[in-house]
Amino acid sequence: EVQLVESGGGLLQPGGSLRLSCAASGFTFSTYSMNWVRQSPGKGLEWLSYISSSGTTIYYADSVKGRFTISRDNAKNSLYLQMNSLRVEDSAVYYCARAALVSPDYWGQGTLVTVSS
Amino acid sequence: EIVLTQSPGTLSLSPGERATLSCRASQSVSSFYLAWYQQKPGQAPRLLIYGASTRATGIPDRFSGSGSGTDFTLTISRLEPEDFAVYYCQVYGSSPMYTFGQGTKLEIK
Repeated sequence: EVQLVESGGGLLQPGGSLRLSCAASGFTFSTYSMNWVRQSPGKGLEWLSYISSSGTTIYYADSVKGRFTISRDNAKNSLYLQMNSLRVEDSAVYYCARAALVSPDYWGQGTLVTVSS
Repeated sequence: EIVLTQSPGTLSLSPGERATLSCRASQSVSSFYLAWYQQKPGQAPRLLIYGASTRATGIPDRFSGSGSGTDFTLTISRLEPEDFAVYYCQVYGSSPMYTFGQGTKLEIK
């Protein structure tokens, strides 16, 4: 069974940093591209970042480019999102999602990030 | 950037009825790139349909997708109690890589 489990969310002040993790199991992680997607009441579902199976190809949404960094460790079956210079509008539930063909097929349960002063 | 507009915003129906959800793209998209998701409260989105009309693994055949160009439809033939949820369409593009519609809430009448 495919499982994706996010962790690392929390409450922090604007300008702070946070690293999210996503632990994958039930599939050969090293052969799949992965994504981070977030969901907030105000903006709905928003794709943030993509990383290829080898980690050599990376894309970001304009809203997080230069502030967020996606990475992966295939030996640990883990995906990461380093988030810097956080803003109030970054508050959301953050999901990792496996990329399959052209649509994410499996998603984790999400981790909540709240940025507030 | 492709914008997806879903209608209606809320759909109130009874179990056993047929549901028709619409997704309109701001420009023509390949059917290959269009997907539908279901999301229940407190849960992650679940892939229902990809390639506009192909059901994902384990999805009941009461769910069907159709459409082309700028107009796509998700149909649920006979609503079951567990089908009441929020539904999103999604398209694969270049920048951003994935775009989602704002969602249609399917509620029990």
